[in-house]
Amino acid sequence: GAGVSQSPSNKVTEKGKDVELRCDPISGHTALYWYRQSLGQGLEFLIYFQGNSAPDKSGLPSDRFSAERTGGSVSTLTIQRTQQEDSAVYLCASSSRLTGTLNTEAFFGQGTRLTVV
Amino acid sequence: AQTVTQSQPEMSVQEAETVTLSCTYDTSENNYYLFWYKQPPSRQMILVIRQEAYKQQNATENRFSVNFQKAAKSFSLKISDSQLGDTAMYFCASTGGGADGLTFGKGTHLIIQP
Repeated sequence: GAGVSQSPSNKVTEKGKDVELRCDPISGHTALYWYRQSLGQGLEFLIYFQGNSAPDKSGLPSDRFSAERTGGSVSTLTIQRTQQEDSAVYLCASSSRLTGTLNTEAFFGQGTRLTVV
Repeated sequence: AQTVTQSQPEMSVQEAETVTLSCTYDTSENNYYLFWYKQPPSRQMILVIRQEAYKQQNATENRFSVNFQKAAKSFSLKISDSQLGDTAMYFCASTGGGADGLTFGKGTHLIIQP
């Protein structure tokens, strides 16, 4: 596609339920990032995929959060047993960045607004 | 851990004025990149300008320019002849951190008044 696509745009879920957020990166981009943006806050790094390497999960806030990237393309962020503090906008970004290089622009999707009630 | 600090939660200026958004960062890396992203109400993050740390010349993109002070670890964004469409959240970001990703500041909400 022309850009990074995220679905759904908005998700309302009940506390305790599991949710899956999807990200379709730009075709050919090897790097994929997930960020969380809480109200009035900056972007909190969650996880980073680079090609076939093991992902950098250092930003995941708890073991209720996990992410996969299948075939080096589409990624799914899963939040189990959602809590109200999980309410935020979840942003996905991709870039053509290669391992060990720093100079690439990250292209962002429009995010998924998750509301846990 | 790498940190990026934006000390101005909100700024408001009149249309056509010049405005400067501040950003400081803390990294132990020698080579890194700095970015300013714009996030309008649509939530779409858009790259405004990029600076390579090893380049002394400040980056410029049309009405947008940066003042990069490497020793002070400062990276401010200047918007000249501000327009109503510049109203947005602006985020400063840096690469080179241990997470191998972009580290963002908390953002500055810029409001351009007509």
